[in-house]
Amino acid sequence: AQRVTQPEKLLSVFKGAPVELKCNYSYSGSPELFWYVQYSRQRLQLLLRHISRESIKGFTADLNKGETSFHLKKPFAQEEDSAMYYCALGGFGNEKLTFGTGTRLTIIP
Amino acid sequence: GAVVSQHPSWVICKSGTSVKIECRSLDFQATTMFWYRQFPKQSLMLMATSNEGSKATYEQGVEKDKFLINHASLTLSTLTVTSAHPEDSSFYICSARGGLGGRHEQYFGPGTRLTVT
Repeated sequence: AQRVTQPEKLLSVFKGAPVELKCNYSYSGSPELFWYVQYSRQRLQLLLRHISRESIKGFTADLNKGETSFHLKKPFAQEEDSAMYYCALGGFGNEKLTFGTGTRLTIIP
Repeated sequence: GAVVSQHPSWVICKSGTSVKIECRSLDFQATTMFWYRQFPKQSLMLMATSNEGSKATYEQGVEKDKFLINHASLTLSTLTVTSAHPEDSSFYICSARGGLGGRHEQYFGPGTRLTVT
């Protein structure tokens, strides 16, 4: 069974401080991991995916298969980063995405 | 590119009536569409996966006779909540997969808030 755990429901960080949103997953096959973001009153949108190994809006995430984690990081938080962040897991041969419960990130000015 | 729309954005209906929600991919062909339900301050719960021209696959615990899904074309899927009850009040979100995105990349609609009185 696919499972995604985001242990923090709420996270507050001062502007300019580093941010780390935790995500752990459980999946027996080869996983594909994603981070989605939902800004206030906007639709859910893809932030980044592990296969691209990209940095979007200063965020990065590395898939650690040994720890089954895909934590989202940013070295210096900005006020516009305040949003709801969801970690999502897809698997080979399974087109569904399983979402974590989300972490609401608030950047304190 | 990869825009998904939903209509209506919100709807209020009386208990016992049926409500149809449309999900459209505006600038790409969606081979697969997904329907989610989101309760306040909670995550998205997948209700069903819809492939064009075939029957939808429902997740465990989702009543297929209550939540009718039709994926008649590569750009349109509809969710009909039949004989709605107050407990069906929720935020319904669709997503579509296809276009240039990867195998799992889904593009989300803005959601439809359903209130059943």
